[in-house]
Amino acid sequence: LAKTTQPISMDSYEGQEVNITCSHNNIATNDYITWYQQFPSQGPRFIIQGYKTKVTNEVASLFIPADRKSSTLSLPRVSLSDTAVYYCLVGSLNTGGFKTIFGAGTRLFVKA
Amino acid sequence: ETGVTQTPRHLVMGMTNKKSLKCEQHLGHNAMYWYKQSAKKPLELMFVYSLEERVENNSVPSRFSPECPNSSHLFLHLHTLQPEDSALYLCASSQVRTSVNNEQFFGPGTRLTVL
Repeated sequence: LAKTTQPISMDSYEGQEVNITCSHNNIATNDYITWYQQFPSQGPRFIIQGYKTKVTNEVASLFIPADRKSSTLSLPRVSLSDTAVYYCLVGSLNTGGFKTIFGAGTRLFVKA
Repeated sequence: ETGVTQTPRHLVMGMTNKKSLKCEQHLGHNAMYWYKQSAKKPLELMFVYSLEERVENNSVPSRFSPECPNSSHLFLHLHTLQPEDSALYLCASSQVRTSVNNEQFFGPGTRLTVL
């Protein structure tokens, strides 16, 4: 399984755009990139998933360069309620679909 | 609400007790997972069941015993636990597909304290 590396923590202010980058140098051809959000004492919640280029949904965008060795989660105009831990996962149905490995994640703190 | 429920939400037990955690998913998924999250540590995958068969067991001590009687229910039986087993235990489910990586839906977790 590809190992992921993320910043341990980030601070931001309400209304700002936040970009969290994840490195995954050993990503395999079949691997997808998935991001989860976790609030204290709750289970993680799926945010977005992508394979290449750019994916956008109602809460975030995911940017993946051509070499796929990194990815950036972009949260537009964050609010206080976006304070959480964000996890980047890399895997595929055959290898990562079951053997999901969560790293330490990035603790985002949004200030007023 | 994610469609995955866990009971109890909180559990305090002594080291000699036997208890069980229950997870139920209402999403029609075919895979279920148990994770352990200790304080300030990443989630650790413990067990995976796919189509009611155990497909992953990450070197978990035998004092943790999973059971998956059907695709909607998952149990974690606990006996003779240690204080270091105190953690948040999370259940998740997913629908394994052939085309995309499977999104996992997590329950709220059971906060376990072993005295």
